[in-house]
Amino acid sequence: EDKVVQSPLSLVVHEGDTVTLNCSYEVTNFRSLLWYKQEKKAPTFLFMLTSSGIEKKSGRLSSILDKKELFSILNITATQTGDSAVYLCAGKTSGTYKYIFGTGTRLKVLA
Amino acid sequence: DGGITQSPKYLFRKEGQNVTLSCEQNLNHDAMYWYRQDPGQGLRLIYYSQIVNDFQKGDIAEGYSVSREKKESFPLTVTSAQKNPTAFYLCASSIHRDTEAFFGQGTRLTVV
Repeated sequence: EDKVVQSPLSLVVHEGDTVTLNCSYEVTNFRSLLWYKQEKKAPTFLFMLTSSGIEKKSGRLSSILDKKELFSILNITATQTGDSAVYLCAGKTSGTYKYIFGTGTRLKVLA
Repeated sequence: DGGITQSPKYLFRKEGQNVTLSCEQNLNHDAMYWYRQDPGQGLRLIYYSQIVNDFQKGDIAEGYSVSREKKESFPLTVTSAQKNPTAFYLCASSIHRDTEAFFGQGTRLTVV
């Protein structure tokens, strides 16, 4: 059965800290790994990774995929209170419309 | 502004009633999806549609129905056959199956 596991389940840090969120996956015919940020309602897209070892970066956020070890990490540097959210990871199978979502990591950044 | 609009934001239903959740997108995306989100669980796929007049069951389709008569619209009906309908429902769309999905703001359905 395909699955995506995220860790930790929740995390509390102080502003300015650096955090690393983990996502491991077992997805048949794996094509890509996606990260989303969910603050209140709609998950917003962060990154899609398809190639192993290539870092994607957007401001203070970055992510990398390891297809050999079947995991991805999302790094957030110099965290701000606005980074407080649930971060979702999803694996995408090739040739289908199916995304397999993890349960998310709840990040709280304290001022 | 381009995006996905879900309505209503909150919906209350009496047991035994069918309700329809609306999802409209103006992104010109071919693919549309319905997901259900419950506390402590990942998003689970209810139905998806690749193109107008075509849709496929996802992992938890029982008790739900959909239609795709227009490219922009993908309404979800929660029928009385759905045993535990109280949840947060998210609609999404993507250009095609290998691109990222974009989500609407969600509808929180509560059965009273």
